[in-house]
Amino acid sequence: QQQVKQSPQSLIVQKGGISIINCAYENTAFDYFPWYQQFPGKGPALLIAIRPDVSEKKEGRFTISFNKSAKQFSLHIMDSQPGDSATYFCAATLDRGSTLGRLYFGRGTQLTVWP
Amino acid sequence: NAGVMQNPRHLVRRRGQEARLRCSPMKGHSHVYWYRQLPEEGLKFMVYLQKENIIDESGMPKERFSAEFPKEGPSILRIQQVVRGDSAAYFCASSPYTGEKQYFGPGTRLTVT
Repeated sequence: QQQVKQSPQSLIVQKGGISIINCAYENTAFDYFPWYQQFPGKGPALLIAIRPDVSEKKEGRFTISFNKSAKQFSLHIMDSQPGDSATYFCAATLDRGSTLGRLYFGRGTQLTVWP
Repeated sequence: NAGVMQNPRHLVRRRGQEARLRCSPMKGHSHVYWYRQLPEEGLKFMVYLQKENIIDESGMPKERFSAEFPKEGPSILRIQQVVRGDSAAYFCASSPYTGEKQYFGPGTRLTVT
């Protein structure tokens, strides 16, 4: 059972445009929602993360929007650049008080930004 | 400050052989996680370890797979009698505390021929 569902599977955006990737989750015990960026042949790199007590977090061109009631969160990449072309994964993990630290990942979105 | 290190980066094994994957966490990190990534799929959790303890192995196949994180040295993911279906990228991540801010290594790409 996929605990975190991610869409779209692939996304093509023109340079300067906005890239939007969406994720939904079922488990209301999830307490931390990171996004990872992965380039071919490399390991995932932590991009930005949010906790459910805030509705939005912005770091540079990257913004997470969080909707707790809908159990959805999304990544917005403003002014998308060719260098942003990569696979993006959303993830979730349980409350920090839990001893279970595993991340539950979405299936990934392959983003291509055309120059 | 070196990141998470994994070796080897590429490993080729014939069916029936053993594969040993090593992970050295970031300095100061005592939590290690192993994930497996199949082509065109996301990462799947396998096992979570702290020094000398397995905390959660619910994602690891019951047979042929084992993991350890000794008091000294790297964490080891061991796959005995490999089969073609074990071909995947195996990533290790470390964190200073449970769950959040997991930092990933470059991965070991295992190919079983």
